[in-house]
Amino acid sequence: KAGVTQTPRYLIKTRGQQVTLSCSPISGHRSVSWYQQTPGQGLQFLFEYFSETQRNKGNFPGRFSGRQFSNSRSEMNVSTLELGDSALYLCASSLEAGHTGELFFGEGSRLTVL
Amino acid sequence: AQSVTQLDSQVPVFEEAPVELRCNYSSSVSVYLFWYVQYPNQGLQLLLKYLSGSTLVESINGFEAEFNKSQTSFHLRKPSVHISDTAEYFCAVSASGGYQKVTFGIGTKLQVIP
Repeated sequence: KAGVTQTPRYLIKTRGQQVTLSCSPISGHRSVSWYQQTPGQGLQFLFEYFSETQRNKGNFPGRFSGRQFSNSRSEMNVSTLELGDSALYLCASSLEAGHTGELFFGEGSRLTVL
Repeated sequence: AQSVTQLDSQVPVFEEAPVELRCNYSSSVSVYLFWYVQYPNQGLQLLLKYLSGSTLVESINGFEAEFNKSQTSFHLRKPSVHISDTAEYFCAVSASGGYQKVTFGIGTKLQVIP
């Protein structure tokens, strides 16, 4: 069974640009969550989608957005990039949105903003 | 809202020695508790979880954690560590019931010294 796949794995952007990251969950999983990981801050929750609906949202500015497609694949977009957006962006999938179960993480997309 | 505090950012320990990684949480409602592990250049993997029932939970590789409601703690322990346990460990919490996000601590880096 294939795991959570995130693309691209690495990318470099400059300030002001925008970026789109993609996440393909494990087959059959309908919930996808996104986290930003930075040294000293741990994992900061961005948002969660379940059956194409945003169920939860973290405390990030509106420059951060996401969506989920009918096949459960998800994308997140960051517009007008800032230096502080440099981070590892992790996607996690789960069977349901209630979080009584396990989150399955991808290896992440490492974004560097110059 | 829930929050997690991991008191130690780094814990060095000699191989075959015992280790305890501390985690305290804050919540006004019942919670589910998790420990995840992240090996270098990988995503997070679930190590163990407490949902209900026995307050002592164990993983397949010798780690255990005990849910202490009165002290709002969920410390992770292992009686004898191995070099392969070197990784970053994250404590996480979510409120029980409904569509609840999972909140992570900032992580504790366990460095096993040969």
